[in-house]
Amino acid sequence: NAGVTQTPKFQVLKTGQSMTLQCAQDMNHEYMSWYRQDPGMGLRLIHYSVGAGITDQGEVPNGYNVSRSTTEDFPLRLLSAAPSQTSVYFCASMLIRTGVMDSPLHFGNGTRLTVT
Amino acid sequence: AQTVTQSQPEMSVQEAETVTLSCTYDTSENNYYLFWYKQPPSRQMILVIRQEAYKQQNATENRFSVNFQKAAKSFSLKISDSQLGDTAMYFCAYGGTSYGKLTFGQGTILTVHP
Repeated sequence: NAGVTQTPKFQVLKTGQSMTLQCAQDMNHEYMSWYRQDPGMGLRLIHYSVGAGITDQGEVPNGYNVSRSTTEDFPLRLLSAAPSQTSVYFCASMLIRTGVMDSPLHFGNGTRLTVT
Repeated sequence: AQTVTQSQPEMSVQEAETVTLSCTYDTSENNYYLFWYKQPPSRQMILVIRQEAYKQQNATENRFSVNFQKAAKSFSLKISDSQLGDTAMYFCAYGGTSYGKLTFGQGTILTVHP
């Protein structure tokens, strides 16, 4: 039972490079999301999706791109990395039922990204 | 927009003692959920406890309990009989009417001393 799987665990980029953080879940969750964690700021929502083909922006979307072609996968793309994007990134998924929060968010183990 | 504030950046407690972590939030919604997540050094995010705003009874999970004061918009976490494995960062989070869009507090680093 893998849950939410994020790859890679660590990544170092140079300013201006692009890359994709991978996220996959095997729980058939409709909802998937990306958060970034920065010291003293908690976790902030970047983008989210309520199903395949549907994505929307969160609190801090600039510099990131997402797509959702399958229920299982929700990759996060950094188009041109900047030092301000140095952070720990979490993917999370949830089953959407009749209530808003009937099921809790399941988190991946995070990706630590450093942009130099 | 909702905000969540954790005013205690760091806390410490002796093993077997009780500690309370504070959290306040601001919202204009009537129906919402509140959460406490634990993040140990492994970086994993672990759900500790959840409270539905429409329930007056405070949630309890083994050694973890909350004091939910809806009118005061306060949601504190009490850890009883603290254990060394409780050492972690603790985040308070608010979930409103939007699916899965949690608003997190800044976090409190809890250290349990032997």
